[in-house]
Amino acid sequence: EIVLTQSPGTLSLSPGERATLSCRASQSVSSSYLAWYQQRPGQAPRLLIYGASSRATGIPDRFSGSGSGTDFTLTISGLEPEDFAVFYCQQYGVSYTFGQGTKLEIK
Amino acid sequence: QVQLVVSGGGVVQPGRSLRLSCAASGFTFSSHAMHWVRQAPGKGLEWVSVISYDGNNKYHADSVKGRFTISRDNSKDTLYLQMNSLRTEDTAIYYCAKARSGHYSNAFDYWGQGTLVTVSS
Repeated sequence: EIVLTQSPGTLSLSPGERATLSCRASQSVSSSYLAWYQQRPGQAPRLLIYGASSRATGIPDRFSGSGSGTDFTLTISGLEPEDFAVFYCQQYGVSYTFGQGTKLEIK
Repeated sequence: QVQLVVSGGGVVQPGRSLRLSCAASGFTFSSHAMHWVRQAPGKGLEWVSVISYDGNNKYHADSVKGRFTISRDNSKDTLYLQMNSLRTEDTAIYYCAKARSGHYSNAFDYWGQGTLVTVSS
């Protein structure tokens, strides 16, 4: 099983700042089959990024993904109030596993 | 627009059964693989099951293998999860999710609202 480890566990930032979230895999993620999801309280997850760097439909361009192999990053440039939530990375190349999540909170 | 409406959750005793449904609309249901994902209270996401676009192939997480069965009825645009021999650790919100394509190796681009399953005596 591919284990995904996200860091930091909690990130405290102010609106307008830049957020950098990390996701590290226990083994290489094939063909960059890596996605990022946002989950606001009481809501279902929402797909942000797939294929490590492709934005899903309707996702603002302040969200960007990068990385390959075992190290991946989600960057949110210019945080908006609605961006504060929990973020999960997921690999879907060998079965499916999620990271434990990073909580992005308002400082 | 894509809609996934999940139903069937509730409170059930350990060892009993429950069937969840996910009614789909707004896309060609029969062209997409579909998943179930769960989230225990206050915890992260756990993938549960996947079914191919035509229903011929199914895979389950080890934690539910032999107890849960995913199925679909493409004539009704509906996904199901039959859950047998339920355990207290199965308590979670259960989401259905649509794969971006018919291929298994794809992200989940739309999610239902989820239904809470509570396993308790």
